[in-house]
Amino acid sequence: RKEVEQDPGPFNVPEGATVAFNCTYSNSASQSFFWYRQDCRKEPKLLMSVYSSGNEDGRFTAQLNRASQYISLLIRDSKLSDSATYLCVATNAGNNRKLIWGLGTSLAVNP
Amino acid sequence: DAGITQSPRHKVTETGTPVTLRCHQTENHRYMYWYRQDPGHGLRLIHYSYGVKDTDKGEVSDGYSVSRSKTEDFLLTLESATSSQTSVYFCAISESIVETQYFGPGTRLLVL
Repeated sequence: RKEVEQDPGPFNVPEGATVAFNCTYSNSASQSFFWYRQDCRKEPKLLMSVYSSGNEDGRFTAQLNRASQYISLLIRDSKLSDSATYLCVATNAGNNRKLIWGLGTSLAVNP
Repeated sequence: DAGITQSPRHKVTETGTPVTLRCHQTENHRYMYWYRQDPGHGLRLIHYSYGVKDTDKGEVSDGYSVSRSKTEDFLLTLESATSSQTSVYFCAISESIVETQYFGPGTRLLVL
């Protein structure tokens, strides 16, 4: 089982739709979580950090569920420019902490 | 955007030749990373550095070496390139090991 798992998609949604992605992580000791966005043939860029209390940034909302070991990303009022791959990231545990990357979920927002 | 550059941006080389990729940052971040990204595997950590001359292996370090002689530069060397090392290589930086990582634009390497 991968340490961080995501549904690869693709998710095809019309403009204006609300779409949600989940990401599960296997290590209950993971402390930090992030969502990154990656456009085709570009570098990953931080979308938002995920806090225990959840956080919102405009049309984007991230939630953490420690009991079920998943994080979610909700995108409201989807725009064409939201089309990208969304990468879920969690830290591993122990003294040698590193970021563990999911494979990404592909989103296509259609006119 | 964070000040991270990578060079070269594209390279085609032949099997068995040495290749060095350079990552340069202007942010004075302590941590620097080299990843490769391949379809079906996502981002995989090759090596990282936590200071000048301080480096450690990642999950796919075989066939790669790194050096960091200055805070701002992190070099990745393929001693003898193989076709399996054809990939997109990303450099990243962060202030601490679990803080946000900022990525360079990537280097596309093709080993024939």
